Amino acid sequence: DAKTTQPPSMDCAEGRAANLPCNHSTISGNEYVYWYRQIHSQGPQYIIHGLKNNETNEMASLIITEDRKSSTLILPHATLRDTAVYYCIVAYTDKLIFGTGTRLQVFP
Amino acid sequence: AAGVIQSPRHLIKEKRETATLKCYPIPRHDTVYWYQQGPGQDPQFLISFYEKMQSDKGSIPDRFSAQQFSDYHSELNMSSLELGDSALYFCASSLGWGLAGLAKNIQYFGAGTRLSVL
Repeated sequence: DAKTTQPPSMDCAEGRAANLPCNHSTISGNEYVYWYRQIHSQGPQYIIHGLKNNETNEMASLIITEDRKSSTLILPHATLRDTAVYYCIVAYTDKLIFGTGTRLQVFP
Repeated sequence: AAGVIQSPRHLIKEKRETATLKCYPIPRHDTVYWYQQGPGQDPQFLISFYEKMQSDKGSIPDRFSAQQFSDYHSELNMSSLELGDSALYFCASSLGWGLAGLAKNIQYFGAGTRLSVL
């Protein structure tokens, strides 16, 4: 499975958009990009995933570059409850390999 | 909606004892995964089962074993416990990958079992 690189931490003001980048330059053609988050020792929570096209659901949007070497998770209106560690994972097989993630701190 | 149920939520054991963690997947989910998260660490994949057969294996110690039963629940058995086994253990479930289209491999996690080895 491809390795991902994420900034260790980011801050975001409440109500603003949070844009979390992820680099996955060695991704192969059949690997999906998944985003999960973990709020303080709770079980990781699925957010969104995509293969080539941009995706949007009720939680977030996922923007994947045309060459698929990087992606951005967008939380359109961050709230204090979005404070968490966000993991970008690329995978084809069923196991998830968690990297170090980005610790997002949303402040009032 | 029903979620992944893990029991117990907390477990305290002595060194060299055994422990059994249980996981009840979301109804109709046929794939179960186990992850270990040590203090200050990220979750690490241990093992997975699809339709009661082991489907993948990560860095799971030989002292640990797991199985998935006919009702799809799973148990992680840990023997000769060591201090370093103290961790959060998460179970996740999903629909069998390859069968669910865009839902492929979306894993839903339980709240975890916190194991403390003294």
